[in-house]
Amino acid sequence: DIQMTQSPPSLSASLGDKVTITCQASQNINKYIAWYQQKPGKAPGLLIHYTSTLVSGIPSRFSGSGSGRDYSFSISNVESEDIASYYCLQYDNSWTFGGGTKLELK
Amino acid sequence: EVQLVESGGGLVQPGRSLKLSCAASGFTFSNYGMHWIRQAPTKGLEWVASISPSGGSTYYRDSVKGRFTISRDNAKSTLYLQMDSLRSEDTATYYCATLSLFDYWGQGVMVTVSS
Repeated sequence: DIQMTQSPPSLSASLGDKVTITCQASQNINKYIAWYQQKPGKAPGLLIHYTSTLVSGIPSRFSGSGSGRDYSFSISNVESEDIASYYCLQYDNSWTFGGGTKLELK
Repeated sequence: EVQLVESGGGLVQPGRSLKLSCAASGFTFSNYGMHWIRQAPTKGLEWVASISPSGGSTYYRDSVKGRFTISRDNAKSTLYLQMDSLRSEDTATYYCATLSLFDYWGQGVMVTVSS
């Protein structure tokens, strides 16, 4: 089974900061990684699929990159509505979520 | 409007069984693979099981293999998760989801395994 190591587990940022989250797969996942946002008490929502393709309606301050085993997700100019938990998901071979990153305001 | 509505959760004793349902509407259910994902209290997301659009292929995480069974009834647009031999570590909110570019999730249903 593919393991996804997501870091950091938590992140503190000020409004307007750029933040980056990384996910490392235990093997090459051929760019089949998605990124989800989850707010407390809500189901997750898809932000990015296939490494860097933004879902329609998602602001361009969200971005993703990577290849092979190493992937990253960034939010530039953090806004208050971005305070949430974020998860990566590999879907190259079965499905595996990363451990999650909780983004908080500094 | 796409909707996924889970039901069947509750409090159950260790070793007992529970069957979750997920009623889908607003899209052609039979065209999509479906998934169950769970989230233990204050923890992260964990993929549990998946089923192909026809129901002919199923996939499970190791910790539930042999105990959980995913199935679907395309005529009723309903996804199921039969959970047997439940353990305390199965306590979580269970979500059904499409997990694809056509990404929709239910609101989740709580399962508590405790004596």
